[in-house]
Amino acid sequence: NAGVTQTPKFQVLKTGQSMTLQCAQDMNHNSMYWYRQDPGMGLRLIYYSASEGTTDKGEVPNGYNVSRLNKREFSLRLESAAPSQTSVYFCASIEGLGSKPQHFGDGTRLSIL
Amino acid sequence: ELKVEQNPLFLSMQEGKNYTIYCNYSTTSDRLYWYRQDPGKSLESLFVLLSNGAVKQEGRLMASLDTKARLSTLHITAAVHDLSATYFCAGDNYGQNFVFGPGTRLSVLP
Repeated sequence: NAGVTQTPKFQVLKTGQSMTLQCAQDMNHNSMYWYRQDPGMGLRLIYYSASEGTTDKGEVPNGYNVSRLNKREFSLRLESAAPSQTSVYFCASIEGLGSKPQHFGDGTRLSIL
Repeated sequence: ELKVEQNPLFLSMQEGKNYTIYCNYSTTSDRLYWYRQDPGKSLESLFVLLSNGAVKQEGRLMASLDTKARLSTLHITAAVHDLSATYFCAGDNYGQNFVFGPGTRLSVLP
């Protein structure tokens, strides 16, 4: 069972470069989420998609865009990377807001120089 | 907007001792979740608490939820080194998404 798969696992960018983080889940979950994790700050929600075709801003959306390509895939794009976006990015999915927890990917460690 | 706090943020304890991690949240949250994260790893679900008075136990960990006090606790019994990790609680934000606490970094010393 793959669960939630994130690619790439590591990436180094220069300031101003763009890139897309990919996330795919094979559990037929409706809702998907992108978080960033900085030391000592827990996880902060960037964007989420409650269902295919919808996306909403979370706590820290500035500098990011998302696409819910289909039910399986939810991508996060940095249009012009900044050093402040250096972080670990986690994608998560859940069937619905009910009795089940979120399933997390392994994370993408992103460094912006 | 839901806010979630945890205390302590750092906890160093000896093997065999008991301790409790507290998770307070600011507004009504129907569900409360506990996760564990090992260094450099992803988050692993521990407990899902769905209603007031809910109690769940797995091994040396027991979680409870008091929705009236807006408080969840994670109790550690007779700690062992393998429990060293960071523990996060997360609340259900009005059925839209989730808000995480800052995490409690636990170190269990021999």
